[in-house]
Amino acid sequence: AQSVSQHNHHVILSEAASLELGCNYSYGGTVNLFWYVQYPGQHLQLLLKYFSGDPLVKGIKGFEAEFIKSKFSFNLRKPSVQWSDTAEYFCAVNTNAGKSTFGDGTTLTVKP
Amino acid sequence: GAGVSQSPSNKVTEKGKDVELRCDPISGHTALYWYRQRLGQGLEFLIYFQGNSAPDKSGLPSDRFSAERTGESVSTLTIQRTQQEDSAVYLCASSLARLGEAFFGQGTRLTVV
Repeated sequence: AQSVSQHNHHVILSEAASLELGCNYSYGGTVNLFWYVQYPGQHLQLLLKYFSGDPLVKGIKGFEAEFIKSKFSFNLRKPSVQWSDTAEYFCAVNTNAGKSTFGDGTTLTVKP
Repeated sequence: GAGVSQSPSNKVTEKGKDVELRCDPISGHTALYWYRQRLGQGLEFLIYFQGNSAPDKSGLPSDRFSAERTGESVSTLTIQRTQQEDSAVYLCASSLARLGEAFFGQGTRLTVV
């Protein structure tokens, strides 16, 4: 069965700092990869996704993620975070079986 | 509606009572998930429905938990004899399984007193 590991449970940054959140998955076949975000008091929503093609995908609000197949990784990055990026971030993998598996999430706190 | 709808949005129940939570997925979405999110914690997978296949119940924490789905529409999650540790937000999500992008509802906040 597939699994998803997010290495950082809680990340605290100052505004304008660069962000990288780690995500590794275990599954040997073809995968679709996702990052979701949950802002305080709001529901989970899609941040970006990778299905195929260019391994560097860009999402909303300046976020991007790079799929490195050899490392089974899909790390999320943003060059300069803002206070409004404070949220919980979830990495997820979906396989040919159709079921999505989520990581435990990373809480990002951006200090103004 | 255009999104995943869950009801009720909040539920306070006494310990030992049964509760039923409802999820209306996006029309046409074959896959439906239930997750539990305790305060300050991640998503805990409960159950997955995909079309007419047998559901994946591997995440249900005990036999007090059960879920049903009628075809590719409404799903209900039932918790019998609720305990205080059942207090959490219960999230429902639906997707077109082949694509995998999940759309989440607002959740039901369950408080067992």
